[in-house]
Amino acid sequence: EVQLVESGGGLVQPGGSLRLSCAASGFTFSRYWMSWVRQAPGKGLEWVANIKEDGSKLYYVDSVKGRFTISRDNAKNSLYLQMNSLRAEDTAVYYCGREIPGGAANSDYWGQGTLVTVSS
Amino acid sequence: ELVLTQSPGTLSLSPGERATLSCRASQSISSQLAWYQQKPGQPPRLLIYGASSRATGIPDRFSGSGSGTDFTLTISRLQPEDFAVYYCQRYGTFGQGTKVEIK
Repeated sequence: EVQLVESGGGLVQPGGSLRLSCAASGFTFSRYWMSWVRQAPGKGLEWVANIKEDGSKLYYVDSVKGRFTISRDNAKNSLYLQMNSLRAEDTAVYYCGREIPGGAANSDYWGQGTLVTVSS
Repeated sequence: ELVLTQSPGTLSLSPGERATLSCRASQSISSQLAWYQQKPGQPPRLLIYGASSRATGIPDRFSGSGSGTDFTLTISRLQPEDFAVYYCQRYGTFGQGTKVEIK
């Protein structure tokens, strides 16, 4: 059974940092692109970043470029999102997703999400 | 920059009725469109990818069509569990969502 479990969310002050993790199981992690998508309270979905199977290609939404870094450790079946210089507008539930091969960054499996709250 | 515009914002229907949701792209995206369903407190669920291919385990009452700039998600006969918010997506862009609510 495919499982994705996010962790690392919490309350952080503006300007602070957090590192989100996503533990994957039930599939060959190293064979899939992976994504982070977020959802601010009461709002729609926003794609954040994705990473190629071997970590050689990374893409970000403009609003997080230079502040967030997506990475992965295929030996640990884990995906990460390092978030620096956090702003109030980064407050959201962050989901990791497994992308379908050949899709347009579409994810067929998702974790339950981890809440990040940026507030003083 | 691609913009995906979904309409209507809210669709009020009764169980058993047909739902037709629209997603319009600001530029041609061939068939590179997916549809998701999301219920409160849950992650999105992939319904359709490649504009018309159903994801694994998705009932055949869900169908997608379209190419270029105009896409449609059709739910042939609404079941109680289908009342939710639906999003379209292509790479780094999501539509703003359509809420399907019980009339």
